[in-house]
Amino acid sequence: DTGVSQDPRHKITKRGQNVTFRCDPISEHNRLYWYRQTLGQGPEFLTYFQNEAQLEKSRLLSDRFSAERPKGSFSTLEIQRTEQGDSAMYLCASSPSPDTQYFGPGTRLTVL
Amino acid sequence: GDSVTQMEGPVTLSEEAFLTINCTYTATGYPSLFWYVQYPGEGLQLLLKATKADDKGSNKGFEATYRKETTSFHLEKGSVQVSDSAVYFCALRFYGQNFVFGPGTRLSVLP
Repeated sequence: DTGVSQDPRHKITKRGQNVTFRCDPISEHNRLYWYRQTLGQGPEFLTYFQNEAQLEKSRLLSDRFSAERPKGSFSTLEIQRTEQGDSAMYLCASSPSPDTQYFGPGTRLTVL
Repeated sequence: GDSVTQMEGPVTLSEEAFLTINCTYTATGYPSLFWYVQYPGEGLQLLLKATKADDKGSNKGFEATYRKETTSFHLEKGSVQVSDSAVYFCALRFYGQNFVFGPGTRLSVLP
C-alpha cells in the first residue's frame, strides 16, 4: 500500500500525559499537513511542512503541540500535558501540489 | 474569516435516487472549491474540484458547478449507489493559503 499511513490508529491516555503520533506520507510528496477533526466537524488545519521545514502553524495551536519532520520524510505530532479538550481525530495529509491532498486514516485520541 | 456551510445530514436515500448536497461559502475573493469524500474507515480523498467561476468539476458520476453569484458549489449525482454511502466535505482554498473545510454531510444509501 503506497498511501498515507498513521500510527497509532487509536490512543487512549490520561489527562496530563504526553502523546506522540506518527505520519508516513506518500514518498514522493514534499508537502505534509496535520489537521484536527472533532465530531461533526470538518478537518481544521494545524500545521504544514514543505520537506523538513515547518512553514505554517495555526494560531489555534497551543504551545503544548509540536510537530517535526526530520529529513523531510515521516512526521511526528506531539501533544504535551494532554487535556480532555484535545480528544479528537488527528489527520495527516501529504501533497504533491497545493490543491491536492491525500489523507491518512487518522489517529483517534481519547483523553480521560 | 473564510467559511464553508453545508446542508446538515444525515441524508438518507434509496438506491438510484438523485442526490444534491448543498454547499455555500463565505470568502472575500474567488477561491478554488473542492469536494472531498470519506468512506467508512478510510481517509478523506479528493472527489472533484473547480478553480474558477462557472467551472464544473466531475468524477465518478458526481458533478458540482462553481457559482460565484450564489457563492455555491452544490454536489449532485443522478443515481446514487449503496457504495456512495460516505461523509462528503466541501472545502475552499485560496492560492497560497490552506484549506477550509465544511462540517461534512453524511450520506446513507439504502438498497
